[in-house]
Amino acid sequence: QLQLQESGPGLVKPSETLSLTCSVSGDSISSSYYYWGWIRQPPGKGLEWIGSIYYLGSTYYNPSLKSRVTISVDRSKNQFSLKLTSVTAADTAVYYCARDVAAAVSHRFDDWGQGTLVTVSS
Amino acid sequence: DIQLTQSPSFLSASVGDRVIITCRATQGISSYLAWYQQKPGKAPKLLIYAASTLQSEVPSRFSGSGFGTEFTLTISSLQPEDFATYYCQQLNSYFPLTFGGGTKVEIK
Repeated sequence: QLQLQESGPGLVKPSETLSLTCSVSGDSISSSYYYWGWIRQPPGKGLEWIGSIYYLGSTYYNPSLKSRVTISVDRSKNQFSLKLTSVTAADTAVYYCARDVAAAVSHRFDDWGQGTLVTVSS
Repeated sequence: DIQLTQSPSFLSASVGDRVIITCRATQGISSYLAWYQQKPGKAPKLLIYAASTLQSEVPSRFSGSGFGTEFTLTISSLQPEDFATYYCQQLNSYFPLTFGGGTKVEIK
């Protein structure tokens, strides 16, 4: 049974860097069939894809966030991480990690973590 | 970017009703579309991908159809556990992965 668990600070100050980690259990992050992604949801609003990473390190990002986002993978720990720089109140959201099922150019998210609320405030 | 517009954004329905939600894309995306269900305080759950393929263990009362720019999610007989918000998502990674604005299904 795949489980994903987000962890990291729930409060970040404006202009600082948001850092989250997703721990994966029940499957290897090194599986060739999957990418691993981050999606966020501001309170009361819809979903926004942030970016995804393959276990070998290749990434693809939402262009609207690309200049501020870095996603990395730690195969030894079966984890992947998100860094978002220069945050503002607009980055306040529930952040989800998810397994990104890749089939050619098709990417869907078939398993999700429970989500973690990150608030940007001084 | 490909924008997805869902309609309606809100609907009120009764148990047993047939419910249809539409998702329109600003350009053709072939069958690269998925549908998710999200309940309050929970992560989204994948229901359908490739426009019409039912995800494992999803009840057969859910079905999807469409191609190109217009897609539908149908719930053939609404059950109490189906009251939730539904999102479509375009799946083609040549473009940013985007979600529709959501359709909230509430009890009449």
